[in-house]
Amino acid sequence: NAGVTQTPKFQVLKTGQSMTLQCAQDMNHNSMYWYRQDPGMGLRLIYYSASEGTTDKGEVPNGYNVSRLNKREFSLRLESAAPSQTSVYFCASRGQGYEQYFGPGTRLTVT
Amino acid sequence: RKEVEQDPGPFNVPEGATVAFNCTYSNSASQSFFWYRQDCRKEPKLLMSVYSSGNEDGRFTAQLNRASQYISLLIRDSKLSDSATYLCVVMNNNNDMRFGAGTRLTVKP
Repeated sequence: NAGVTQTPKFQVLKTGQSMTLQCAQDMNHNSMYWYRQDPGMGLRLIYYSASEGTTDKGEVPNGYNVSRLNKREFSLRLESAAPSQTSVYFCASRGQGYEQYFGPGTRLTVT
Repeated sequence: RKEVEQDPGPFNVPEGATVAFNCTYSNSASQSFFWYRQDCRKEPKLLMSVYSSGNEDGRFTAQLNRASQYISLLIRDSKLSDSATYLCVVMNNNNDMRFGAGTRLTVKP
C-alpha cells in the first residue's frame, strides 16, 4: 500500500516550457487535490477533484490545468511555465473522513 | 490578511519543556479544525483534529475558541522527535481547507 505517489520528485524547467506532474493513490479515495507550498504562504489549493470525472478550481488555479484520468490518478499540467510557479507541489487524497493524505511532493524550479 | 495566521517561530525549547502555539482564523463560518505536522522537506501529516470541547492525545492538547476564532496546540514534555513545523488547518467545507504557513519548533537536548 503505497498511499499517494508523485512523479517526478524534482524538476527544473525553463520559462515557457510545459510539463505534467503525475499523482496516483491506491486508497480508493474519491477526492484528490493539488497544492503548492511557498515559504511564508502555507499550502494553497490549485485544483481539486471531488470524484472521478469532476474537477474544480481552488484558490490559485491560474497557469495550471488538471486531469482526473481515473479514480486513482490526478495530473497537474503547466502549459507555459513561469518563474512564479517555482514551488513545492503536493498532491493529496481524501476518503470518507476529513484527513487528507499527502504525497511526498515535487520540487519545481522555473528559470 | 491571510485567512489562517500563525506565528512562524522558530520556537527553540529544551527537552521536557511545555510549549504552546496559537493560530487565528478569519472565517467565522469555518467548520472543522486540525493540526498537521510537517517534517523538513517532507509532506504534511495529520497530527490531530481540534474539537470544540478540546481534546488530548498523549502529550498533545488542542483547544478551539470559536468566539475569539483561535486554535491552540500544547505540547507537554517535549521530545527531540517533536522538532517539526506545525500547520494549523481550517476547513470551510469538504473541499476547502486553508493552511497556515506553519510554526517551526526545535527541541534541543
